[in-house]
Amino acid sequence: KAGVTQTPRYLIKTRGQQVTLSCSPISGHRSVSWYQQTPGQGLQFLFEYFSETQRNKGNFPGRFSGRQFSNSRSEMNVSTLELGDSALYLCASNLEVPSTDTQYFGPGTRLTVL
Amino acid sequence: GESVGLHLPTLSVQEGDNSIINCAYSNSASDYFIWYKQESGKGPQFIIDIRSNMDKRQGQRVTVLLNKTVKHLSLQIAATQPGDSAVYFCAETSRGGTSYGKLTFGQGTILTVHP
Repeated sequence: KAGVTQTPRYLIKTRGQQVTLSCSPISGHRSVSWYQQTPGQGLQFLFEYFSETQRNKGNFPGRFSGRQFSNSRSEMNVSTLELGDSALYLCASNLEVPSTDTQYFGPGTRLTVL
Repeated sequence: GESVGLHLPTLSVQEGDNSIINCAYSNSASDYFIWYKQESGKGPQFIIDIRSNMDKRQGQRVTVLLNKTVKHLSLQIAATQPGDSAVYFCAETSRGGTSYGKLTFGQGTILTVHP
């Protein structure tokens, strides 16, 4: 079974631009979560989607948004990019049955803001 | 100003030794805990998990211990190999309530295994 896939793997943008990142969960997984990883703050939760609904949101400004499609694929968008948005953005999917809540991560998208 | 990065704890061991990586968690309501391994350039990889109704769980070469009294989690790796070198993260969550799908991660520990 294929794992979580994220595209693109690397991205370079300039301040003020916007960016869209994509995540395809493991087949059959309906929950998708997004995390930001930086050397300064570590791994921080952005938001989580289940059945096309945002179910939980982390402490990030409104410039960070996301959505989930009917096939469980998810996108996140960052508008008006700032230098501090440079990070590894990780997507994780979860089967979400009572026997397990394990989140499985993709390889991430490395975003560099210049 | 200059940004200050996290200073991750480090653990350096010889190949064949046993390794113990520790983690303190903060939320007494957390009832599910996971250990992840992250190698350079990759996303976190699931190692083992444990629920709060257990205090020990064993996998292949790995054991997780949970002490809810002091909110402490540990990962033991037996016969550590050079391929185990990576950053190890503990993560916690609370199933139910408003914490669906939200993992809170520890800062991580860098494990280096010397041949």
